Amino acid sequence: NAGVTQTPKFQVLKTGQSMTLQCAQDMNHNSMYWYRQDPGMGLRLIYYSASEGTTDKGEVPNGYNVSRLNKREFSLRLESAAPSQTSVYFCASKWGGANQPQHFGDGTRLSIL
Amino acid sequence: KQEVTQIPAALSVPEGENLVLNCSFTDSAIYNLQWFRQDPGKGLTSLLLIQSSQREQTSGRLNASLDKSSGRSTLYIAASQPGDSATYLCAVDAGKSTFGDGTTLTVKP
Repeated sequence: NAGVTQTPKFQVLKTGQSMTLQCAQDMNHNSMYWYRQDPGMGLRLIYYSASEGTTDKGEVPNGYNVSRLNKREFSLRLESAAPSQTSVYFCASKWGGANQPQHFGDGTRLSIL
Repeated sequence: KQEVTQIPAALSVPEGENLVLNCSFTDSAIYNLQWFRQDPGKGLTSLLLIQSSQREQTSGRLNASLDKSSGRSTLYIAASQPGDSATYLCAVDAGKSTFGDGTTLTVKP
Protein backbone atom coordinates (compact mmCIF):
# COMPACT_ATOMS: atom_id res chain seq x y z
CA ASN A 1 0.00 0.00 0.00
CA ALA A 2 1.87 3.09 -1.26
CA GLY A 3 -0.34 5.73 0.41
CA VAL A 4 0.50 9.19 -0.98
CA THR A 5 3.19 9.28 -3.67
CA GLN A 6 4.89 12.50 -4.78
CA THR A 7 7.15 12.97 -7.79
CA PRO A 8 9.81 14.15 -8.22
CA LYS A 9 11.55 13.97 -4.83
CA PHE A 10 14.08 16.67 -5.71
CA GLN A 11 14.19 19.36 -8.38
CA VAL A 12 16.34 22.37 -9.19
CA LEU A 13 14.90 25.04 -11.47
CA LYS A 14 16.05 28.36 -12.82
CA THR A 15 14.00 31.48 -12.24
CA GLY A 16 11.22 31.71 -14.82
CA GLN A 17 11.05 28.00 -15.61
CA SER A 18 7.83 26.07 -15.16
CA MET A 19 7.18 22.66 -13.72
CA THR A 20 4.45 20.41 -12.36
CA LEU A 21 4.60 18.51 -9.10
CA GLN A 22 2.67 15.28 -9.16
CA CYS A 23 0.74 13.64 -6.34
CA ALA A 24 -1.23 10.40 -6.35
CA GLN A 25 -3.00 8.53 -3.56
CA ASP A 26 -4.28 4.98 -3.58
CA MET A 27 -6.53 5.16 -0.50
CA ASN A 28 -9.68 6.27 -2.35
CA HIS A 29 -9.63 9.55 -0.43
CA ASN A 30 -11.93 12.36 -1.46
CA SER A 31 -9.89 15.35 -0.28
CA MET A 32 -6.38 16.30 -1.32
CA TYR A 33 -4.08 19.13 -0.27
CA TRP A 34 -0.88 20.90 -1.25
CA TYR A 35 1.29 22.49 1.44
CA ARG A 36 4.66 24.16 1.51
CA GLN A 37 7.01 23.91 4.47
CA ASP A 38 9.51 26.65 5.18
CA PRO A 39 11.80 27.07 8.20
CA GLY A 40 10.12 29.14 10.90
CA MET A 41 6.81 29.29 9.03
CA GLY A 42 5.45 25.81 9.51
CA LEU A 43 3.27 24.18 6.88
CA ARG A 44 1.07 26.50 4.89
CA LEU A 45 -1.82 25.45 2.70
CA ILE A 46 -1.44 26.37 -0.98
CA TYR A 47 -4.51 24.77 -2.56
CA TYR A 48 -6.90 21.99 -1.73
CA SER A 49 -9.52 19.85 -3.41
CA ALA A 50 -12.42 18.78 -1.22
CA SER A 51 -13.64 16.33 -3.86
CA GLU A 52 -13.01 15.33 -7.44
CA GLY A 53 -13.78 18.23 -9.73
CA THR A 54 -13.35 21.00 -7.14
CA THR A 55 -10.35 23.09 -6.11
CA ASP A 56 -10.01 26.01 -3.70
CA LYS A 57 -7.32 28.45 -2.65
CA GLY A 58 -5.52 28.08 0.61
CA GLU A 59 -3.38 30.55 2.53
CA VAL A 60 -0.63 31.09 -0.07
CA PRO A 61 -1.99 30.39 -3.60
CA ASN A 62 -0.21 33.14 -5.56
CA GLY A 63 2.16 31.79 -8.21
CA TYR A 64 0.60 28.33 -8.26
CA ASN A 65 -2.13 26.47 -10.12
CA VAL A 66 -3.61 23.05 -9.43
CA SER A 67 -5.48 20.34 -11.28
CA ARG A 68 -7.51 17.55 -9.75
CA LEU A 69 -7.05 15.16 -12.66
CA ASN A 70 -9.20 12.42 -11.15
CA LYS A 71 -9.92 11.08 -7.69
CA ARG A 72 -6.37 9.74 -7.30
CA GLU A 73 -4.27 12.58 -8.68
CA PHE A 74 -3.76 16.22 -7.71
CA SER A 75 -1.00 18.21 -9.41
CA LEU A 76 0.60 21.53 -8.51
CA ARG A 77 2.03 23.75 -11.25
CA LEU A 78 4.49 26.60 -11.01
CA GLU A 79 4.10 28.62 -14.20
CA SER A 80 7.10 30.93 -13.73
CA ALA A 81 9.24 29.84 -10.81
CA ALA A 82 10.65 32.45 -8.43
CA PRO A 83 13.36 32.05 -5.74
CA SER A 84 10.67 32.70 -3.09
CA GLN A 85 9.09 29.40 -4.11
CA THR A 86 12.12 27.44 -2.94
CA SER A 87 10.59 25.13 -0.36
CA VAL A 88 9.58 21.61 0.51
CA TYR A 89 6.17 20.79 -0.95
CA PHE A 90 3.90 18.21 0.64
CA CYS A 91 0.79 16.60 -0.72
CA ALA A 92 -1.78 15.16 1.69
CA SER A 93 -5.10 13.37 1.43
CA LYS A 94 -7.96 12.27 3.63
CA TRP A 95 -11.39 10.69 3.32
CA GLY A 96 -13.15 13.99 3.78
CA GLY A 97 -15.42 15.02 6.62
CA ALA A 98 -14.47 16.86 9.75
CA ASN A 99 -12.73 14.15 11.75
CA GLN A 100 -10.57 12.17 9.42
CA PRO A 101 -6.77 12.22 9.67
CA GLN A 102 -4.61 13.59 6.89
CA HIS A 103 -2.01 11.32 5.28
CA PHE A 104 1.13 12.89 3.84
CA GLY A 105 3.57 12.07 1.09
CA ASP A 106 7.34 12.31 1.57
CA GLY A 107 7.61 15.68 -0.10
CA THR A 108 9.29 17.34 -3.07
CA ARG A 109 12.36 19.44 -2.31
CA LEU A 110 12.40 22.29 -4.81
CA SER A 111 15.21 24.79 -5.24
CA ILE A 112 14.88 27.76 -7.57
CA LEU A 113 18.04 29.56 -8.53
CA LYS B 1 -6.88 34.10 11.96
CA GLN B 2 -5.98 30.89 13.76
CA GLU B 3 -2.48 30.82 15.24
CA VAL B 4 -0.84 27.68 16.58
CA THR B 5 2.17 27.79 18.88
CA GLN B 6 4.35 24.94 20.06
CA ILE B 7 6.64 25.31 23.04
CA PRO B 8 9.44 24.43 23.46
CA ALA B 9 10.94 24.58 19.98
CA ALA B 10 13.49 21.93 20.96
CA LEU B 11 13.78 19.45 23.80
CA SER B 12 16.53 17.02 24.78
CA VAL B 13 15.92 14.29 27.36
CA PRO B 14 17.64 11.11 28.54
CA GLU B 15 16.18 7.79 27.51
CA GLY B 16 13.40 6.54 29.75
CA GLU B 17 12.11 9.93 30.76
CA ASN B 18 8.43 10.84 30.50
CA LEU B 19 7.83 14.11 28.67
CA VAL B 20 5.12 16.53 27.60
CA LEU B 21 4.93 18.57 24.41
CA ASN B 22 2.66 21.59 24.29
CA CYS B 23 0.43 23.06 21.61
CA SER B 24 -1.71 26.17 21.97
CA PHE B 25 -4.18 27.72 19.55
CA THR B 26 -6.05 31.01 19.49
CA ASP B 27 -9.49 30.09 18.09
CA SER B 28 -11.41 27.34 19.88
CA ALA B 29 -13.86 26.81 16.99
CA ILE B 30 -12.14 23.69 15.70
CA TYR B 31 -13.26 20.30 14.41
CA ASN B 32 -10.23 18.42 15.67
CA LEU B 33 -6.57 18.58 16.58
CA GLN B 34 -4.02 16.22 15.10
CA TRP B 35 -0.51 15.36 16.29
CA PHE B 36 2.11 14.36 13.74
CA ARG B 37 5.65 13.08 13.77
CA GLN B 38 8.17 14.19 11.12
CA ASP B 39 11.52 12.49 10.65
CA PRO B 40 14.31 14.39 8.82
CA GLY B 41 13.72 14.47 5.09
CA LYS B 42 10.38 12.72 5.41
CA GLY B 43 6.72 13.56 5.37
CA LEU B 44 4.37 13.79 8.33
CA THR B 45 3.08 10.67 10.04
CA SER B 46 -0.22 10.96 11.88
CA LEU B 47 0.03 9.95 15.54
CA LEU B 48 -3.27 10.90 17.13
CA LEU B 49 -6.40 12.83 16.20
CA ILE B 50 -8.64 14.27 18.91
CA GLN B 51 -12.11 15.36 17.93
CA SER B 52 -13.37 18.62 19.41
CA SER B 53 -15.85 16.72 21.59
CA GLN B 54 -13.11 14.51 23.05
CA ARG B 55 -10.74 15.17 25.92
CA GLU B 56 -7.97 12.72 25.09
CA GLN B 57 -6.73 9.94 22.84
CA THR B 58 -4.19 7.23 23.56
CA SER B 59 -2.00 5.10 21.33
CA GLY B 60 0.63 2.93 22.99
CA ARG B 61 3.05 5.17 24.89
CA LEU B 62 1.40 8.32 23.53
CA ASN B 63 -1.44 10.23 25.13
CA ALA B 64 -2.84 13.44 23.70
CA SER B 65 -5.21 15.72 25.56
CA LEU B 66 -7.36 18.60 24.38
CA ASP B 67 -8.77 21.52 26.36
CA LYS B 68 -10.66 23.45 23.74
CA SER B 69 -11.85 26.18 26.10
CA SER B 70 -8.31 27.15 27.01
CA GLY B 71 -6.90 26.52 23.53
CA ARG B 72 -4.39 23.91 24.64
CA SER B 73 -3.31 20.40 23.79
CA THR B 74 -0.54 18.27 25.19
CA LEU B 75 1.22 15.20 23.85
CA TYR B 76 2.53 12.96 26.61
CA ILE B 77 5.23 10.45 25.71
CA ALA B 78 5.92 7.79 28.31
CA ALA B 79 9.26 6.04 28.77
CA SER B 80 10.95 7.85 25.89
CA GLN B 81 13.29 5.96 23.54
CA PRO B 82 15.98 7.13 21.10
CA GLY B 83 13.64 6.10 18.28
CA ASP B 84 11.22 8.79 19.45
CA SER B 85 13.68 11.44 18.27
CA ALA B 86 11.87 13.50 15.63
CA THR B 87 9.95 16.73 15.17
CA TYR B 88 6.41 16.68 16.53
CA LEU B 89 3.81 18.96 14.99
CA CYS B 90 0.26 19.75 15.98
CA ALA B 91 -2.41 20.93 13.57
CA VAL B 92 -5.86 22.32 14.30
CA ASP B 93 -8.59 21.74 11.75
CA ALA B 94 -11.41 24.27 11.38
CA GLY B 95 -12.21 23.32 7.81
CA LYS B 96 -8.60 23.97 6.84
CA SER B 97 -5.63 22.92 8.91
CA THR B 98 -3.26 25.32 10.66
CA PHE B 99 0.05 23.87 11.79
CA GLY B 100 2.45 24.78 14.54
CA ASP B 101 6.18 25.03 13.85
CA GLY B 102 6.87 21.87 15.80
CA THR B 103 8.99 20.70 18.72
CA THR B 104 12.21 18.89 17.85
CA LEU B 105 12.76 16.09 20.34
CA THR B 106 16.09 14.39 20.95
CA VAL B 107 16.16 11.35 23.22
CA LYS B 108 19.72 10.47 24.29
CA PRO B 109 20.67 6.86 24.97
